[in-house]
Amino acid sequence: NAGVTQTPKFRILKIGQSMTLQCAQDMNHNYMYWYRQDPGMGLKLIYYSVGAGITDKGEVPNGYNVSRSTTEDFPLRLELAAPSQTSVYFCASTLLPAGGAGQPQHFGDGTRLSIL
Amino acid sequence: AQSVTQLGSHVSVSEGALVLLRCNYSSSVPPYLFWYVQYPNQGLQLLLKYTTGATLVKGINGFEAEFKKSETSFHLTKPSAHMSDAAEYFCAVYTGNQFYFGTGTSLTVIP
Repeated sequence: NAGVTQTPKFRILKIGQSMTLQCAQDMNHNYMYWYRQDPGMGLKLIYYSVGAGITDKGEVPNGYNVSRSTTEDFPLRLELAAPSQTSVYFCASTLLPAGGAGQPQHFGDGTRLSIL
Repeated sequence: AQSVTQLGSHVSVSEGALVLLRCNYSSSVPPYLFWYVQYPNQGLQLLLKYTTGATLVKGINGFEAEFKKSETSFHLTKPSAHMSDAAEYFCAVYTGNQFYFGTGTSLTVIP
Protein backbone atom coordinates (compact mmCIF):
# COMPACT_ATOMS: atom_id res chain seq x y z
CA ASN A 1 0.00 0.00 0.00
CA ALA A 2 1.58 3.24 -1.17
CA GLY A 3 -0.84 5.55 0.65
CA VAL A 4 -0.01 9.21 -0.06
CA THR A 5 3.04 9.77 -2.25
CA GLN A 6 4.73 13.14 -2.60
CA THR A 7 7.41 14.08 -5.09
CA PRO A 8 10.02 15.44 -5.01
CA LYS A 9 11.29 14.97 -1.45
CA PHE A 10 13.69 17.90 -1.65
CA ARG A 11 14.03 20.87 -3.98
CA ILE A 12 15.94 24.10 -4.14
CA LEU A 13 14.49 26.89 -6.26
CA LYS A 14 15.68 30.31 -7.24
CA ILE A 15 13.49 33.33 -6.58
CA GLY A 16 10.95 33.74 -9.39
CA GLN A 17 11.11 30.16 -10.61
CA SER A 18 8.02 28.00 -10.75
CA MET A 19 7.44 24.39 -9.88
CA THR A 20 4.76 21.83 -9.18
CA LEU A 21 4.70 19.65 -6.10
CA GLN A 22 3.10 16.35 -6.89
CA CYS A 23 0.74 14.41 -4.62
CA ALA A 24 -0.96 11.12 -5.39
CA GLN A 25 -3.04 8.80 -3.25
CA ASP A 26 -4.19 5.27 -4.02
CA MET A 27 -6.86 4.93 -1.34
CA ASN A 28 -9.75 6.39 -3.38
CA HIS A 29 -10.08 9.21 -0.88
CA ASN A 30 -12.40 12.06 -1.73
CA TYR A 31 -10.77 14.79 0.32
CA MET A 32 -7.22 15.98 -0.24
CA TYR A 33 -5.28 18.75 1.46
CA TRP A 34 -2.09 20.74 1.11
CA TYR A 35 -0.35 22.11 4.20
CA ARG A 36 2.84 23.97 4.86
CA GLN A 37 4.77 23.43 8.06
CA ASP A 38 7.05 26.11 9.43
CA PRO A 39 9.07 25.78 12.67
CA GLY A 40 6.94 26.54 15.72
CA MET A 41 3.88 27.26 13.59
CA GLY A 42 2.25 23.88 13.20
CA LEU A 43 0.49 23.10 9.96
CA LYS A 44 -1.27 25.74 7.93
CA LEU A 45 -3.84 24.73 5.31
CA ILE A 46 -3.08 26.07 1.83
CA TYR A 47 -5.80 24.48 -0.31
CA TYR A 48 -8.12 21.54 -0.09
CA SER A 49 -10.36 19.56 -2.39
CA VAL A 50 -13.55 17.65 -1.66
CA GLY A 51 -13.48 15.75 -4.94
CA ALA A 52 -12.36 15.82 -8.55
CA GLY A 53 -12.98 19.24 -10.09
CA ILE A 54 -13.61 20.95 -6.75
CA THR A 55 -11.02 22.96 -4.85
CA ASP A 56 -11.16 25.63 -2.19
CA LYS A 57 -8.80 27.97 -0.39
CA GLY A 58 -7.48 27.30 3.05
CA GLU A 59 -5.84 29.65 5.51
CA VAL A 60 -2.75 30.62 3.46
CA PRO A 61 -3.48 30.27 -0.29
CA ASN A 62 -1.62 33.31 -1.63
CA GLY A 63 1.15 32.42 -4.06
CA TYR A 64 -0.17 28.92 -4.73
CA ASN A 65 -2.56 27.22 -7.12
CA VAL A 66 -4.05 23.75 -7.24
CA SER A 67 -6.06 21.54 -9.55
CA ARG A 68 -7.91 18.27 -9.07
CA SER A 69 -8.60 16.61 -12.39
CA THR A 70 -8.66 13.09 -10.95
CA THR A 71 -9.49 11.54 -7.59
CA GLU A 72 -5.91 10.34 -7.21
CA ASP A 73 -3.86 13.46 -7.93
CA PHE A 74 -3.73 16.88 -6.28
CA PRO A 75 -0.73 18.92 -7.52
CA LEU A 76 0.31 22.21 -5.89
CA ARG A 77 1.76 24.90 -8.13
CA LEU A 78 4.11 27.72 -7.14
CA GLU A 79 4.17 30.25 -9.98
CA LEU A 80 6.72 32.82 -8.77
CA ALA A 81 8.74 31.37 -5.93
CA ALA A 82 9.52 33.72 -3.05
CA PRO A 83 11.79 33.19 -0.01
CA SER A 84 8.68 33.24 2.22
CA GLN A 85 7.61 30.00 0.58
CA THR A 86 10.58 28.12 1.99
CA SER A 87 8.88 25.44 4.04
CA VAL A 88 8.01 21.78 4.33
CA TYR A 89 4.90 20.92 2.35
CA PHE A 90 2.62 18.05 3.27
CA CYS A 91 -0.17 16.51 1.28
CA ALA A 92 -2.90 14.58 3.08
CA SER A 93 -6.05 12.72 2.19
CA THR A 94 -9.18 11.60 3.99
CA LEU A 95 -11.99 9.22 3.29
CA LEU A 96 -15.27 10.90 4.20
CA PRO A 97 -18.20 8.72 3.24
CA ALA A 98 -21.54 10.40 2.99
CA GLY A 99 -23.02 10.82 6.44
CA GLY A 100 -19.75 10.00 8.15
CA ALA A 101 -16.86 11.95 9.51
CA GLY A 102 -14.08 11.72 12.00
CA GLN A 103 -11.87 9.93 9.53
CA PRO A 104 -8.20 10.71 10.17
CA GLN A 105 -5.94 12.23 7.58
CA HIS A 106 -3.25 10.18 5.90
CA PHE A 107 -0.07 12.15 5.26
CA GLY A 108 2.73 11.91 2.77
CA ASP A 109 6.34 12.22 3.90
CA GLY A 110 6.59 15.83 2.76
CA THR A 111 8.50 17.96 0.28
CA ARG A 112 11.26 20.14 1.70
CA LEU A 113 11.48 23.28 -0.41
CA SER A 114 14.11 25.98 -0.15
CA ILE A 115 13.93 29.17 -2.17
CA LEU A 116 17.12 31.15 -2.45
CA ALA B 1 -12.22 30.35 13.11
CA GLN B 2 -11.23 27.42 15.20
CA SER B 3 -8.14 27.46 17.36
CA VAL B 4 -6.15 24.69 18.91
CA THR B 5 -3.76 25.52 21.74
CA GLN B 6 -0.96 23.24 22.83
CA LEU B 7 0.61 24.45 26.05
CA GLY B 8 4.36 23.99 26.03
CA SER B 9 6.23 23.86 22.76
CA HIS B 10 8.89 21.69 24.40
CA VAL B 11 8.39 19.05 27.08
CA SER B 12 11.14 16.95 28.65
CA VAL B 13 10.53 13.85 30.72
CA SER B 14 12.75 11.14 32.14
CA GLU B 15 12.51 7.65 30.72
CA GLY B 16 9.80 5.81 32.66
CA ALA B 17 8.07 9.00 33.81
CA LEU B 18 4.54 10.13 33.01
CA VAL B 19 4.02 11.96 29.73
CA LEU B 20 1.38 14.71 29.70
CA LEU B 21 0.87 16.86 26.61
CA ARG B 22 -1.85 19.47 26.82
CA CYS B 23 -4.37 20.46 24.16
CA ASN B 24 -7.29 22.89 24.37
CA TYR B 25 -9.61 23.84 21.55
CA SER B 26 -12.23 26.44 20.83
CA SER B 27 -15.41 25.13 19.30
CA SER B 28 -19.08 25.91 19.76
CA VAL B 29 -20.01 22.33 18.95
CA PRO B 30 -18.23 19.12 19.93
CA PRO B 31 -15.59 18.57 17.26
CA TYR B 32 -13.68 15.50 16.23
CA LEU B 33 -10.32 15.45 18.00
CA PHE B 34 -7.04 13.87 17.01
CA TRP B 35 -3.48 13.45 18.19
CA TYR B 36 -0.75 12.91 15.64
CA VAL B 37 2.95 12.12 16.05
CA GLN B 38 5.70 13.23 13.69
CA TYR B 39 9.13 11.65 13.62
CA PRO B 40 12.04 13.48 11.93
CA ASN B 41 11.72 13.77 8.15
CA GLN B 42 8.39 12.00 8.13
CA GLY B 43 4.74 12.95 7.78
CA LEU B 44 2.21 12.90 10.60
CA GLN B 45 0.91 9.58 11.87
CA LEU B 46 -2.34 9.13 13.75
CA LEU B 47 -1.98 8.27 17.45
CA LEU B 48 -5.64 8.33 18.43
CA LYS B 49 -8.91 10.08 17.80
CA TYR B 50 -12.16 10.98 19.52
CA THR B 51 -15.40 11.14 17.57
CA THR B 52 -18.27 10.07 19.85
CA GLY B 53 -18.87 7.74 22.77
CA ALA B 54 -16.36 6.97 25.49
CA THR B 55 -14.41 10.06 26.44
CA LEU B 56 -11.23 8.14 27.29
CA VAL B 57 -9.59 7.09 24.07
CA LYS B 58 -6.73 4.63 23.78
CA GLY B 59 -4.26 4.86 20.94
CA ILE B 60 -1.12 3.21 19.69
CA ASN B 61 2.15 2.87 21.61
CA GLY B 62 0.43 3.09 25.02
CA PHE B 63 -0.91 6.62 24.58
CA GLU B 64 -4.38 7.70 25.64
CA ALA B 65 -6.35 10.94 25.75
CA GLU B 66 -9.45 12.11 27.55
CA PHE B 67 -12.07 14.39 26.03
CA LYS B 68 -13.38 16.85 28.62
CA LYS B 69 -16.16 18.92 27.13
CA SER B 70 -16.49 21.24 30.12
CA GLU B 71 -12.81 22.12 29.89
CA THR B 72 -12.63 21.99 26.05
CA SER B 73 -9.52 19.86 26.49
CA PHE B 74 -8.06 16.72 24.97
CA HIS B 75 -4.81 16.07 26.82
CA LEU B 76 -2.51 13.22 25.77
CA THR B 77 -0.93 10.95 28.36
CA LYS B 78 1.31 7.92 28.63
CA PRO B 79 2.10 6.33 31.99
CA SER B 80 5.75 5.53 31.25
CA ALA B 81 7.87 7.31 28.66
CA HIS B 82 10.14 5.36 26.36
CA MET B 83 13.09 6.69 24.41
CA SER B 84 11.25 5.93 21.19
CA ASP B 85 8.50 8.41 22.18
CA ALA B 86 10.78 11.35 21.41
CA ALA B 87 9.03 13.16 18.57
CA GLU B 88 6.78 16.11 17.72
CA TYR B 89 3.13 15.77 18.75
CA PHE B 90 0.23 17.64 17.20
CA CYS B 91 -3.31 18.04 18.43
CA ALA B 92 -5.94 18.60 15.73
CA VAL B 93 -9.62 19.44 15.51
CA TYR B 94 -11.88 18.56 12.62
CA THR B 95 -14.93 20.69 11.92
CA GLY B 96 -16.48 22.31 8.87
CA ASN B 97 -14.64 20.12 6.35
CA GLN B 98 -11.28 21.27 7.68
CA PHE B 99 -8.65 20.17 10.13
CA TYR B 100 -7.09 22.73 12.46
CA PHE B 101 -3.74 21.91 14.02
CA GLY B 102 -2.00 23.10 17.11
CA THR B 103 1.56 24.40 16.87
CA GLY B 104 3.01 21.17 18.17
CA THR B 105 4.87 19.96 21.25
CA SER B 106 8.35 18.53 20.96
CA LEU B 107 8.84 15.71 23.43
CA THR B 108 12.33 14.91 24.68
CA VAL B 109 12.91 11.75 26.70
CA ILE B 110 15.92 11.84 28.99
CA PRO B 111 17.63 8.51 29.69
